[in-house]
Amino acid sequence: DVKVTQSSRYLVKRTGEKVFLECVQDMDHENMFWYRQDPGLGLRLIYFSYDVKMKEKGDIPEGYSVSREKKERFSLILESASTNQTSMYLCASNWGGETQYFGPGTRLLVL
Amino acid sequence: GNSVTQMEGPVTLSEEAFLTINCTYTATGYPSLFWYVQYPGEGLQLLLKATKADDKGSNKGFEATYRKETTSFHLEKGSVQVSDSAVYFCALSDSGAAGNKLTFGGGTRVLVKP
Repeated sequence: DVKVTQSSRYLVKRTGEKVFLECVQDMDHENMFWYRQDPGLGLRLIYFSYDVKMKEKGDIPEGYSVSREKKERFSLILESASTNQTSMYLCASNWGGETQYFGPGTRLLVL
Repeated sequence: GNSVTQMEGPVTLSEEAFLTINCTYTATGYPSLFWYVQYPGEGLQLLLKATKADDKGSNKGFEATYRKETTSFHLEKGSVQVSDSAVYFCALSDSGAAGNKLTFGGGTRVLVKP
């Protein structure tokens, strides 16, 4: 079975802190994605990566950056957390055009 | 650009009732269409998909048919169970873009009461 894991299920941070969210997949998938999920808005793509050290902006990249140094790991970075970044963050991966597989999500609260 | 519109919830049903969740889309080209389900406290998992017009996806008693003429992909289940309580997301895949990015609808929360 494909497994996508995220480093934390719940996270509480203060405004201005630098926040790292980690995602690891064990299926040698080439593509990895970061979404945020907000009520009524569904999932919105923040960034994705189609290869090691490659990244592309999604629909809402402002305030975020990403890092992919190894194929299995994709990190989302909030350079200076703000209260409007309080959300559920979901990581996903896939190979080519196949179905995306999602992690359990990280619920982030920024105070 | 691409967009997906689905009915807002919550939808509250009794066990064994018929469920339908409407989904319409706007896309260039020929997208693949998906329904994902999110059970409480979990990430999303694929429920079913269809890759071309008139295809029917089905899984766990759920069905949806890719209707190109009406740009719709409505989800149906004939007899729901309490365990079907979840949030359902309609999505489309832009096959022309790197990584096959998904565009999601807003999600529909379904609550099934015994």
